[in-house]
Amino acid sequence: EAGVVQSPRYKIIEKKQPVAFWCNPISGHNTLYWYRQNLGQGPELLIRYENEEAVDDSQLPKDRFSAERLKGVDSTLKIQPAELGDSAVYLCASSFERKYEQYFGPGTRLTVT
Amino acid sequence: AQSVTQPDIHITVSEGASLELRCNYSYGATPYLFWYVQSPGQGLQLLLKYFSGDTLVQGIKGFEAEFKRSQSSFNLRKPSVHWSDAAEYFCAFNAGNMLTFGGGTRLMVKP
Repeated sequence: EAGVVQSPRYKIIEKKQPVAFWCNPISGHNTLYWYRQNLGQGPELLIRYENEEAVDDSQLPKDRFSAERLKGVDSTLKIQPAELGDSAVYLCASSFERKYEQYFGPGTRLTVT
Repeated sequence: AQSVTQPDIHITVSEGASLELRCNYSYGATPYLFWYVQSPGQGLQLLLKYFSGDTLVQGIKGFEAEFKRSQSSFNLRKPSVHWSDAAEYFCAFNAGNMLTFGGGTRLMVKP
């Protein structure tokens, strides 16, 4: 069974530029999560989708971050414009339902210069 | 407030020695508990989970964890550490809506 797929794995951009991350969850998993992991810290939830509906986006900085999950499968997380403080690893995870264990992708390491 | 505390930021053990990583949680009830491992440049891999029942749970790679309700703890153990176990370990709980992680413990293994 294929795991959670994320791309790109690494991205370096200049501040004020836009950036997008893509995630394909495990087949059959209806719940999808985006996390941000700062250096030396645990992941923090940005947004949670159940199917195509964003049901928890309270931690998403909505002035510059946006996300979508069209058709309830793949998801894209976008930052526009990026700031220096956005440098982090962005992790995507999926689960069958929200209460069960989550499976994580390899993450996208973003560096904003 | 809901939180997970991993008191040890770094731990160094010799290869072949036993290991215990500490985890304490703060929550009004018994949450679902997890241990994840993250190797450099990799995502998080689930080691084991506790939902209910037997408080000693077995995981992959020879790891086990014990849930102690009275201490609000879920410590991770391994009887004999291998050099490949060097990584960052995260304790987490799911209280229904979201997964809350501890700050992680970085394990280093001496030859």
